[in-house]
Amino acid sequence: GESVGLHLPTLSVQEGDNSIINCAYSNSASDYFIWYKQESGKGPQFIIDIRSNMDKRQGQRVTVLLNKTVKHLSLQIAATQPGDSAVYFCAEAGYSSASKIIFGSGTRLSIRP
Amino acid sequence: NAGVTQTPKFQVLKTGQSMTLQCAQDMNHEYMSWYRQDPGMGLRLIHYSVGAGITDQGEVPNGYNVSRSTTEDFPLRLLSAAPSQTSVYFCASGTDRGQLFFGSGTQLSVL
Repeated sequence: GESVGLHLPTLSVQEGDNSIINCAYSNSASDYFIWYKQESGKGPQFIIDIRSNMDKRQGQRVTVLLNKTVKHLSLQIAATQPGDSAVYFCAEAGYSSASKIIFGSGTRLSIRP
Repeated sequence: NAGVTQTPKFQVLKTGQSMTLQCAQDMNHEYMSWYRQDPGMGLRLIHYSVGAGITDQGEVPNGYNVSRSTTEDFPLRLLSAAPSQTSVYFCASGTDRGQLFFGSGTQLSVL
């Protein structure tokens, strides 16, 4: 069935370094991919998204890369800060505006001082 | 601007009891959805709605009912609570199918 998963369940990064969080998806018909950040005790918060007709999109300190050939998605966070500590989820939406939004299992990012 | 409001924040039920988790949004979003999140896990989609009067099943719909009589409200009903339904429940809404705004969650324990 359709699934969205992550390569690394935990990631520890030195403060100031760049972080890269990876995600694999299995549904080649997916049209839309989204990254969310969830801080402890809170609901997920939208970070950035990318459509399947793009391979890169940049935001403030974040970049999402999409490789449709190998069905791989990554989130790059530049100059990681303590406030970036959270669980990061990739999510997948289908080709229809009425499609489901399915989340992956998440990666915990911890920042070393 | 309240965003997405979920009530209650905490709830304890006995096995077999029924209850309704409330979700309201004031952003005029057409898309609303319910997820559950078990400890250390990701979010699993229970039900979703693309507009008033339209609902559909997600990944784990069994044991839950939804209705969407207005754009603002999307309640989730547990028909007969079971310990396996102990979880944190999140309601979300959005204008685009991917950019969701989440509520603060309802922590549910079923004894």
